Order: sequence, then C-alpha cells, then structure tokens
Amino acid sequence: DSGVTQTPKHLITATGQRVTLRCSPRSGDLSVYWYQQSLDQGLQFLIQYYNGEERAKGNILERFSAQQFPDLHSELNLSSLELGDSALYFCASSARQGAGETQYFGPGTRLLVL
Amino acid sequence: EDQVTQSPEALRLQEGESSSLNCSYTVSGLRGLFWYRQDPGKGPEFLFTLYSAGEEKEKERLKATLTKKESFLHITAPKPEDSATYLCAAGGGYQKVTFGIGTKLQVIP
Repeated sequence: DSGVTQTPKHLITATGQRVTLRCSPRSGDLSVYWYQQSLDQGLQFLIQYYNGEERAKGNILERFSAQQFPDLHSELNLSSLELGDSALYFCASSARQGAGETQYFGPGTRLLVL
Repeated sequence: EDQVTQSPEALRLQEGESSSLNCSYTVSGLRGLFWYRQDPGKGPEFLFTLYSAGEEKEKERLKATLTKKESFLHITAPKPEDSATYLCAAGGGYQKVTFGIGTKLQVIP
C-alpha cells in the first residue's frame, strides 16, 4: 500500500458526459501528479500540482482540468467524454516537486466510456 | 526531447533463470532514475531510485544499476511471482519525469 488513495475504483459513463476523479496523496506529500494509461500503452503525464498550484502540464486535453485543494487532495475533471478517453487514470504523490523526487502511485481509477 | 527506451519489450524466463532488463535514457541533466513494478490493472509499485552513475541498489532478487546513459534491472533466480511489467522513468532538468513503455516479464515455473 503506497498510501495514495483514489476514488472511485471504477467508473462507467456515456460519451459527452463529465466525471470527476479524486486523489488523496500520502501524508505529508505536497506534490500530486495525474497520469493516463491506455491499453498496452505507457504512462502519459497529464498535470502536476504542488501545494495547490499548477507546476507542470503534459499531454492534457483542453476538455480535462484539475485542481489541488488546501487539504492537498486533488481532483481531475474530464468533460465531453469520448470513447478514446477510456483508460486507467493514476494519481501519484511526492514529498516535493523536483524531477528527482520519487513518486508513489495510487491504485488508479478505471474509466470506461460507452 | 527527453526519451526513455526499454528493452526487451517482453521477456520470458524459466524459474531460476537470471536476466537483465535495459533502460536507455536521454534527458537533459538527470535528476533521478526510477524503477517501478506494475501488475495488470494496478498502480505502479515503487522499487528503486538511482541518482548518479555507478550507484547500485538491491531488494530481494532485484538489483538496479546506473550508468551515464542507461540503467539495468538485474533479476537473479526469478520466481513466478516476479512476473509483471517493469517500468523505468527518468527525471530530467526540465523538471519532467518521462516513463518508458515497460518490459513485460513472464517467469514460467
């Protein structure tokens, strides 16, 4: 158990809908990262927050947005969902924000868009 | 652009047959080299972080090593429970961590 929690574990929704994925980082970690992993594909970095502020953006679509709250939990909002958005979404956390920081991953949310 | 390439893509070993997985990286100013294990449908599980060439770390049957251009994950006398996908990631000078596609390891009893 990494100490990172994600809810829900599974999500099934229809095209055009909007969903919110939630992540609680490890106790004491200030940085949160979001990744997308499609079937048989690598981890694609979406976005990073550090202590409530956006720090880095990867291949995140404009239909996707995220935020980190004062209690450090984070939410990833996916809107106008398309079939191709079906994937595993992982949250990771680290103590600080540098590229040398070890990231600890949560169990993921499996999203299925029908 | 930062790149991380892992080889082989898939590896099938007999139980007890030692081998190595390779991770070649091209990043601007390596900040950290990370190894993770991922089981199907699960989140990546942290294994090792290496920071400088020549560094080595061990955990049970796994040993990670680092040079200036690549990292190896050596698996000694693997067991079926070592079957998983092993991911390598490199953190570079642009404060970005880049993941490889992974090596899918299958250990046959």
